[in-house]
Amino acid sequence: ETGVTQTPRHLVMGMTNKKSLKCEQHLGHNAMYWYKQSAKKPLELMFVYSLEERVENNSVPSRFSPECPNSSHLFLHLHTLQPEDSALYLCASSVVGVGEQYFGPGTRLTVT
Amino acid sequence: GENVEQHPSTLSVQEGDSAVIKCTYSDSASNYFPWYKQELGKRPQLIIDIRSNVGEKKDQRIAVTLNKTAKHFSLHITETQPEDSAVYFCAASMNSGGYQKVTFGTGTKLQVIP
Repeated sequence: ETGVTQTPRHLVMGMTNKKSLKCEQHLGHNAMYWYKQSAKKPLELMFVYSLEERVENNSVPSRFSPECPNSSHLFLHLHTLQPEDSALYLCASSVVGVGEQYFGPGTRLTVT
Repeated sequence: GENVEQHPSTLSVQEGDSAVIKCTYSDSASNYFPWYKQELGKRPQLIIDIRSNVGEKKDQRIAVTLNKTAKHFSLHITETQPEDSAVYFCAASMNSGGYQKVTFGTGTKLQVIP
């Protein structure tokens, strides 16, 4: 698959579980982003990696932990989440210094 | 930080009519303004963008205008079709520590009635 892919597409987890979301981009980009999309709210930027270095951590609770092992892969590690963390989590990528971002299909997360 | 406001939140138009969505931003450092379309259950996709050195840009039935002085930018869709029905997001972007930081509006749900 080309572009930006995300797995899993759907995830249901309990508040005590630990899970990880994966994002992969096949566009040769060097910046990657995690966004949270909740109903009736704007897309909320969570984390940004530029050239594999975290450059933005937008006041996100520590129960969300990002990892960027290389410029093509991005992970979001989840632990002890709350029901209000249920949302669509979108990954995006871009070229550093260029505003155009390409989004993945998202992971629909439900915390029970 | 940047703040982007988007109006209206919902918009219904008859097929063939025009649709206009308006956004304002707060930080004059923003220099890139993309518009994304998100169909139900799908990812946001860039449909048009404009940079701060341009006042207007057009791509077939879609156009975007930018007024830097007033910090306003708008999306215009002419001859709307049912497949234009989706949620549209505006965004304002600025260079921040070597990357482009994007702030999104709250979205406009457009319904085109056949």
